[in-house]
Amino acid sequence: AQSVTQPDIHITVSEGASLELRCNYSYGATPYLFWYVQSPGQGLQLLLKYFSGDTLVQGIKGFEAEFKRSQSSFNLRKPSVHWSDAAEYFCAVGGYSGNTPLVFGKGTRLSVIA
Amino acid sequence: GAVVSQHPSWVICKSGTSVKIECRSLDFQATTMFWYRQFPKQSLMLMATSNEGSKATYEQGVEKDKFLINHASLTLSTLTVTSAHPEDSSFYICSARDPSLTDTQYFGPGTRLTVL
Repeated sequence: AQSVTQPDIHITVSEGASLELRCNYSYGATPYLFWYVQSPGQGLQLLLKYFSGDTLVQGIKGFEAEFKRSQSSFNLRKPSVHWSDAAEYFCAVGGYSGNTPLVFGKGTRLSVIA
Repeated sequence: GAVVSQHPSWVICKSGTSVKIECRSLDFQATTMFWYRQFPKQSLMLMATSNEGSKATYEQGVEKDKFLINHASLTLSTLTVTSAHPEDSSFYICSARDPSLTDTQYFGPGTRLTVL
């Protein structure tokens, strides 16, 4: 069965520090992987996605993620965090199919301190 | 990126009434839309898959007679919460799959439902 694990429920980083959010997945076929960000009371915004090809993908807002098949991981990184990055981050996995819903992790809440 | 809208963004209703939430894909045609429910500080829980022109597919444990889904056009899906009760209070989010981009879903801004 498909599943996504985000081991960290809450992370606090200082503004300007680097960030890595962990995501591990379990999927029976070639996974399509996504990172979404959600601000309080808002919908989800797509940060980046991996379908195939280069395992290091660049997204919006300076985020990047690396797909590591051997570790079943798709960790999100940012070299320098800004206060506006404080939000909830969700990792999701899906497959290529007309009706494939995404399976979401439980999310990681990011707090940014001065 | 593609835009998905939801209306209303928030709604307060009395227990026993029905509430309709609309989900629209504004700049693409979506044959498939998904409805999720999110409890405070929790992840998204898939409720159902809405297919244009056919019946929705509901996830286990979701009452299809309570959460009516209609996908009458390629740009509109509606979720109607019938005979709402306080336990139905939640954040409802829809997403629409852009068929031109492999399995990429774009999410609406969500609808906050509060049942008194």
